[in-house]
Amino acid sequence: SAVISQKPSRDICQRGTSLTIQCQVDSQVTMMFWYRQQPGQSLTLIATANQGSEATYESGFVIDKFPISRPNLTFSTLTVSNMSPEDSSIYLCSVEGVRSYNEQFFGPGTRLTVL
Amino acid sequence: RKEVEQDPGPFNVPEGATVAFNCTYSNSASQSFFWYRQDCRKEPKLLMSVYSSGNEDGRFTAQLNRASQYISLLIRDSKLSDSATYLCVVTPRGGGFKTIFGAGTRLFVKA
Repeated sequence: SAVISQKPSRDICQRGTSLTIQCQVDSQVTMMFWYRQQPGQSLTLIATANQGSEATYESGFVIDKFPISRPNLTFSTLTVSNMSPEDSSIYLCSVEGVRSYNEQFFGPGTRLTVL
Repeated sequence: RKEVEQDPGPFNVPEGATVAFNCTYSNSASQSFFWYRQDCRKEPKLLMSVYSSGNEDGRFTAQLNRASQYISLLIRDSKLSDSATYLCVVTPRGGGFKTIFGAGTRLFVKA
């Protein structure tokens, strides 16, 4: 399994500001995924990030609000822009597994609170 | 109707008990099925894949019923360390990586 780290692990931000979350993987992976997990709820896929192309966003998520970078095969960033309290959530990145491309391994998450 | 539905629980069981969770999915074309475990304030981790023939890993048994579109997880001889939220996960056929997570079932194992 891949080892995934995220920065920051948590943050408290003022509304109207932006936060960039970093995700680093210890091996090269084709696809990286960004999820949101709101309090008491399950995970919702925000977007899929491929190296060398624009991210693919799920319904309800747009690039202006959640710009994503994928500069190489081991790194990605997700920015939460113009934040509001409704953006308070845990943001997780994940990568596909090796044994089965449908298995996913998750980073530890970034706990974001917007005041 | 949600794409993946689970009983949220919580299930409160004593140590040593056997407990079963069910999960239903709405997309009959779903291809892959998994159970993930998520501890409080931690990221989800893969517990086991679910195969059509059913599969067992120690105290854990997973089964798939395609006709009825549900999967199950059975935990035997529950341990305190089994306390967690168990997420049912479904991936549609040909859907790329559109993985759908259930909301999870909370399990508390008591001494």
